[in-house]
Amino acid sequence: EDQVTQSPEALRLQEGESSSLNCSYTVSGLRGLFWYRQDPGKGPEFLFTLYSAGEEKEKERLKATLTKKESFLHITAPKPEDSATYLCAVQEGNNFNKFYFGSGTKLNVKP
Amino acid sequence: EPEVTQTPSHQVTQMGQEVILRCVPISNHLYFYWYRQILGQKVEFLVSFYNNEISEKSEIFDDQFSVERPDGSNFTLKIRSTKLEDSAMYFCASSVDSSGYTFGSGTRLTVV
Repeated sequence: EDQVTQSPEALRLQEGESSSLNCSYTVSGLRGLFWYRQDPGKGPEFLFTLYSAGEEKEKERLKATLTKKESFLHITAPKPEDSATYLCAVQEGNNFNKFYFGSGTKLNVKP
Repeated sequence: EPEVTQTPSHQVTQMGQEVILRCVPISNHLYFYWYRQILGQKVEFLVSFYNNEISEKSEIFDDQFSVERPDGSNFTLKIRSTKLEDSAMYFCASSVDSSGYTFGSGTRLTVV
């Protein structure tokens, strides 16, 4: 059973067209939920950590929110340089030795 | 900004050969990890390392794999006898407190 599911798999937006990416998780006792950005051929680049339901974090055009079952990554007025794959990862409360990653959402922002 | 450095960026090896992938974690980090990503698939956990020993390993990390921190700065992943299915991007990561990791840019391993 997948611990982390991301949707949609791919998303095409026009520049300036806001949208949200979803990450749902099923781990027991969440220790932390992490959002990463990954460019082709590169390693994941850390964006946010969320620890508890109701928490929100913002960085430029990105805002991450967390509930007890899922997290959203909101992208406001995206630009072409926001094009990348966005990865969600979770850490269980009783095992902080590893992350479980989702498959990612590939975002393409057209000018 | 501090970064995790991985070498080489691309390694091509013959099936059955040994490979060593090298990583220099961020200097004050205490937790070290290897993950891999087969083309088009999820990033998968391989192994975590803390206090000079493996703290956890996945089912992927069988007897063909080993990790070492030979000195105060390097962290290596060795694959003893490579198989075609070992072809993937291998990412090293480190963290100061086992929460948010910093990943390296990866080594693309191609087994032919």
